[in-house]
Amino acid sequence: AQKITQTQPGMFVQEKEAVTLDCTYDTSDPSYGLFWYKQPSSGEMIFLIYQGSYDQQNATEGRYSLNFQKARKSANLVISASQLGDSAMYFCAMWAAAGNKLTFGGGTRVLVKP
Amino acid sequence: EAGVVQSPRYKIIEKKQPVAFWCNPISGHNTLYWYLQNLGQGPELLIRYENEEAVDDSQLPKDRFSAERLKGVDSTLKIQPAELGDSAVYLCASSLGISGTDTQYFGPGTRLTVL
Repeated sequence: AQKITQTQPGMFVQEKEAVTLDCTYDTSDPSYGLFWYKQPSSGEMIFLIYQGSYDQQNATEGRYSLNFQKARKSANLVISASQLGDSAMYFCAMWAAAGNKLTFGGGTRVLVKP
Repeated sequence: EAGVVQSPRYKIIEKKQPVAFWCNPISGHNTLYWYLQNLGQGPELLIRYENEEAVDDSQLPKDRFSAERLKGVDSTLKIQPAELGDSAVYLCASSLGISGTDTQYFGPGTRLTVL
């Protein structure tokens, strides 16, 4: 069975600093994809970044980067130069062929302080 | 390009009443998803459509929930009758292809409150 774990329920970060959000996953499927979404208080889930299990390099999208450690089954999101608008819930999600659906973690709430 | 559109954004009903949610996916997206998100949790899949076919409805409580996607474009999710425990946010998402690694784009959701 697929499982996604986000161990940090909430965290504060100072504006302009970097923050790392933890995500570990469990699957026996060799083919899978990992996603990060941002959910502001408005409710919409905003896609941030994607990492495929066979991708050789860590994914990056602007200020977002994914620290993919396959052997440890972790896919941590790094947000550099935090902005006040980064305050939101962040969800890690995984798709694997065996389950054939996107499974979400419990989320981490980030609050950026000025 | 317009994103996923959902309506209504908010709905308050009394228990045992019916309710319906509407979703219009991103133009050209073949796959449409309905998710349920309880407070403080991640979304959980209810049903997935590939074009007009429901290919995964294993998590849909079929005694009270139903969904349709006529003509393979927009979709409606219905609850009849609603129960107190149905209070949640109902999210619609769409993706271009049918691969699980295709990025899903979400709408703003419908927040349902059942009194």
